[in-house]
Amino acid sequence: NAGVMQNPRHLVRRRGQEARLRCSPMKGHSHVYWYRQLPEEGLKFMVYLQKENIIDESGMPKERFSAEFPKEGPSILRIQQVVRGDSAAYFCASSLNLQGDPATNEKLFFGSGTQLSVL
Amino acid sequence: DAKTTQPNSMESNEEEPVHLPCNHSTISGTDYIHWYRQLPSQGPEYVIHGLTSNVNNRMASLAIAEDRKSSTLILHRATLRDAAVYYCILRAQPQGAQKLVFGQGTRLTINP
Repeated sequence: NAGVMQNPRHLVRRRGQEARLRCSPMKGHSHVYWYRQLPEEGLKFMVYLQKENIIDESGMPKERFSAEFPKEGPSILRIQQVVRGDSAAYFCASSLNLQGDPATNEKLFFGSGTQLSVL
Repeated sequence: DAKTTQPNSMESNEEEPVHLPCNHSTISGTDYIHWYRQLPSQGPEYVIHGLTSNVNNRMASLAIAEDRKSSTLILHRATLRDAAVYYCILRAQPQGAQKLVFGQGTRLTINP
C-alpha cells in the first residue's frame, strides 16, 4: 500500500506565476489535509477536505489560495500569482476517518512534501 | 484543541533512553494524547497515542500521568535516526476527523 504521494517534490516559480501542488492520499483514505511549513517554523494547518467538499479552510489565506479534492484524481493546492513569502514546504496528509474508532483515532499519514521556491 | 507545552530542545546519547515531556494541564476528558515526529526534510509521522493508560508500540512508549495533565514519550534506546522534532498534540474524540494543531515541538538531538 503506497503512502501519501506528493508531486512535484520541488517546484520553482517566478513571482506572479501559478503553483499547483498535487497530493494522492493513501488507498482508501477519503480525507485530505494540507499544511504549510515556513523555514525554521512549525507546521500550520491550511485546509481539510473530503471528496468534493471543503470541511475546514480556516487556515487558508483568503486570496490567491484554493484547494480541491475531486471525486476522481488527486487533491490540488493551487496558489495564484505567487509571491516570495509563499516559499515554503507544503505537506499533505490523509486519513481514514473512522469516527469513534479509538484504534485508529484518525491517524494522519503525511507525504514527503513539496518544496516551493519563488524567485 | 487544548494547548500543550514542550521543551524547545533536548539532547541525548545514542543507545540511551530518552524521556520527552509534555504538559497539558487544560486537557479535557475526551482528549487523546498524540505524538508525531518530523525527521529532517520529511513530513511528520505518527508515533503513538493514548487516552488514560500507558501505551507501548514498536517505536516508543507513552506514559500518561494519573491526572492526565502531563505525559512522557519514551524512546527506550535512542538511535541517530531518532533525531527529529517531536510534537505532542491533543485531539478531541469522538468528533470526527479533525485537523492536527502542531505546536513548536521538541527538537531532539542524538549524540553518537
